[in-house]
Amino acid sequence: NAGVTQTPKFRILKIGQSMTLQCAQDMNHNYMYWYRQDPGMGLKLIYYSVGAGITDKGEVPNGYNVSRSTTEDFPLRLELAAPSQTSVYFCASSPAGGKGANVLTFGAGSRLTVL
Amino acid sequence: GDSVTQMEGPVTLSEEAFLTINCTYTATGYPSLFWYVQYPGEGLQLLLKATKADDKGSNKGFEATYRKETTSFHLEKGSVQVSDSAVYFCALSDRGDYKLSFGAGTTVTVRA
Repeated sequence: NAGVTQTPKFRILKIGQSMTLQCAQDMNHNYMYWYRQDPGMGLKLIYYSVGAGITDKGEVPNGYNVSRSTTEDFPLRLELAAPSQTSVYFCASSPAGGKGANVLTFGAGSRLTVL
Repeated sequence: GDSVTQMEGPVTLSEEAFLTINCTYTATGYPSLFWYVQYPGEGLQLLLKATKADDKGSNKGFEATYRKETTSFHLEKGSVQVSDSAVYFCALSDRGDYKLSFGAGTTVTVRA
């Protein structure tokens, strides 16, 4: 059982470039999330999804886009990368209900540097 | 809006010392409260949780009690080990919501 898988683990971008961070989960979780982690700032929610075809903005969505065409996949797209997007990005998922509700399973993270 | 405030780090301890990390919250409803831990180079993982007032969450020797009167959820461990070195995050989700709000994280280093 792989859980939540993120790729790539590390990436360096030039200002203005675009890229997609991939996220896949194999737990059949309805809910998926993208967070960014900046030093001393905790985790900030970028986007989230409650199911295939449904996405919504979190606290810090500017400069990002997402899609959710399947239950398993939730890619995060960075358009026109800026230095302010240098961060560690975490994808997470959780079930819709039951004992595991609100318990997030995180991926190992993707460290992005924009130069 | 909902928010979590946790004590700033870093915290450095010797093995077998007592650890406390303070966490207080602001919420309009009756939130569920969580502690997540992030070991070096890894993603976050759930350490413990409590879903209503006076509940005590516990795991791996760590404990935290949901105190509604003081809006707190302090994390404690009686005797830490080097393997407890990590970043600890307090988090909450308001009732009926599935999104978590995280504190800034507290870095704990335990020396042998």
